Amino acid sequence: DTAVSQTPKYLVTQMGNDKSIKCEQNLGHDTMYWYKQDSKKFLKIMFSYNNKELIINETVPNRFSPKSPDKAHLNLHINSLELGDSAVYFCASSQGQRGEKLFFGSGTQLSVL
Amino acid sequence: GENVEQHPSTLSVQEGDSAVIKCTYSDSASNYFPWYKQELGKRPQLIIDIRSNVGEKKDQRIAVTLNKTAKHFSLHITETQPEDSAVYFCAAKSGSYKLIFGSGTRLLVRP
Repeated sequence: DTAVSQTPKYLVTQMGNDKSIKCEQNLGHDTMYWYKQDSKKFLKIMFSYNNKELIINETVPNRFSPKSPDKAHLNLHINSLELGDSAVYFCASSQGQRGEKLFFGSGTQLSVL
Repeated sequence: GENVEQHPSTLSVQEGDSAVIKCTYSDSASNYFPWYKQELGKRPQLIIDIRSNVGEKKDQRIAVTLNKTAKHFSLHITETQPEDSAVYFCAAKSGSYKLIFGSGTRLLVRP
């Protein structure tokens, strides 16, 4: 009974394609996040939503668009994929909007060829 | 901007020895400092956290200390075991609710 689940786990695609990653949490948390972990393991926040409202939007290219249909789901759509987008993308959730005690999903390994 | 520096980047210790990882943060408004452990190919998991009104917190073999004046905090693992081998991340949360992560420390515990 996974608390934060992401699909797919692996995503291999060609440059220029459009792809989506889905995330769902069953913890009843109010806030969800997308983090990017590059090849050097550096974890960087991309977006945060609280009850479907965007509250954090880091300097991420416009090709990345998050969508939160409800507070249990936060999807990430990426247009015109580039080689530099290759990374592990982690979804996370937390109670309230204070950014504390994040619970991470298992990650999506994106490889752009 | 907000920044968290973490040292060392790699740490190798003998089983049973202690390990210490140190972080410094730039935003003096930061008030929450968690530590995450990430095993190979797995998700980061919260192992301990501390707030700015507390100087030290312990949970069995792990402890975290915070020096607000110097803006640094440390993770201490005692009696290390092979299963402690992982990448450890410190983080600091500023008033903007953003968690800023350090660059990670790869800990290897040699049996």
